[in-house]
Amino acid sequence: QVQLVQSGSELEKPGASLKVSCKASGYTFTTYAIDWVRQAPGQGLEWMGWINTGSGNPTYAQGFTGRFVFSLDTSVSTAYLQINNLKADDTGVYYCARRIGVSSRDWRFDLWGRGTLVTVSS
Amino acid sequence: QSVLTQPPSASGTPGQRVTISCSGSSSNVGANTVNWFQHLPGTAPKLLIYYDNQRPSGVPDRFSGSKSGTSASLAISGLQSEDEADYYCATWDASLNGRVFGGGTKLTVL
Repeated sequence: QVQLVQSGSELEKPGASLKVSCKASGYTFTTYAIDWVRQAPGQGLEWMGWINTGSGNPTYAQGFTGRFVFSLDTSVSTAYLQINNLKADDTGVYYCARRIGVSSRDWRFDLWGRGTLVTVSS
Repeated sequence: QSVLTQPPSASGTPGQRVTISCSGSSSNVGANTVNWFQHLPGTAPKLLIYYDNQRPSGVPDRFSGSKSGTSASLAISGLQSEDEADYYCATWDASLNGRVFGGGTKLTVL
């Protein structure tokens, strides 16, 4: 079954770090990029960036540089999102998505994880 | 604020046709293909339309996409209660050098 399975909800204090996982199954993991998308409470979807699953090279969107780290473990077909020095504003649901299409012009997110709720609160 | 403008809400009665707009600029919608996603809270977003007007297999032909210049639209015909969800457009923005989503439109089926 082709799917992306994300890790469960997280509750952390400000200043801590956490790591969200996104495990792919049913397809060759290194064939397609993995993008990350955030939805803050009451807000819309926001693109965070992506990781090249072949090379491991990450690209971060504006606003997601510094504290956010994308990584891979291709041996277990899993992508990770690490958030360091957590802030209350990081609260939200984080989604991973498989992207088809390497050009900036023509692409699509055809497969999504169900999301991981991250709550940052003291 | 997103660079892609969608109406915050839309509504229709069962059987009706509704259209959701996505207005952008020459650096995004005008130059790149548009995707549309359906999102119900607590679930994974679902791809409805890609490459402006292509439907993935399994998406009913009640859903259609179009684009003219710097504006794209999603049309839903034969509205059904299960269509009640949030809808997002997305594309690449050359000025931001990244992918962008519209602010989302909450569709209510009356």
